[in-house]
Amino acid sequence: AQTVTQSQPEMSVQEAETVTLSCTYDTSENNYYLFWYKQPPSRQMILVIRQEAYKQQNATENRFSVNFQKAAKSFSLKISDSQLGDTAMYFCASSSNNAGNMLTFGGGTRLMVKP
Amino acid sequence: GAGVSQSPSNKVTEKGKDVELRCDPISGHTALYWYRQSLGQGLEFLIYFQGNSAPDKSGLPSDRFSAERTGGSVSTLTIQRTQQEDSAVYLCASSLGGTSLRKETQYFGPGTRLLVL
Repeated sequence: AQTVTQSQPEMSVQEAETVTLSCTYDTSENNYYLFWYKQPPSRQMILVIRQEAYKQQNATENRFSVNFQKAAKSFSLKISDSQLGDTAMYFCASSSNNAGNMLTFGGGTRLMVKP
Repeated sequence: GAGVSQSPSNKVTEKGKDVELRCDPISGHTALYWYRQSLGQGLEFLIYFQGNSAPDKSGLPSDRFSAERTGGSVSTLTIQRTQQEDSAVYLCASSLGGTSLRKETQYFGPGTRLLVL
């Protein structure tokens, strides 16, 4: 079974600054996938960034990047130049072909970007 | 093309009634998932369909919950004899299906908020 832990229930950041959201996971699989999703008040779950465990290079999508530490089983999300529209719940998730493909989610981090 | 769509957006029902929630996946996606998001339990997996294979029902919380997927596309989640603890947001997701990061990535619908009075 996979488990995902997000240790920060809430965070805040000033507009234009950088913030890092933490995520740790546990799995017995050799290959697995890691994701960050954003859920604004509209409720729509939006994919932010994704990473395959076999790839050591950290994924980057515009202002969003990850710090993937496989040995430590850590997958943190860095948001640069924070914008008001980044205010949302952020969920870290993992999946694996050998574990049924379904996503296992962390408890979420509520991020508030302040003007 | 269009994203995942779900209907209804909101549903209010009385305890003991049956409800049906609908999900239209992204065209061409062979894998479809249902999740439940509630305050107390966070995001939980319910059921997974992949092509014509038997669904993975390991996440269904009780036999009051069932789901089907007709023609490999639209899916309906049915909750019989609803209870107040069934109140939650029900999210549907789809993916291409396969064994790569791209094919495994799930895309979500806007969800159905169910309130059982």
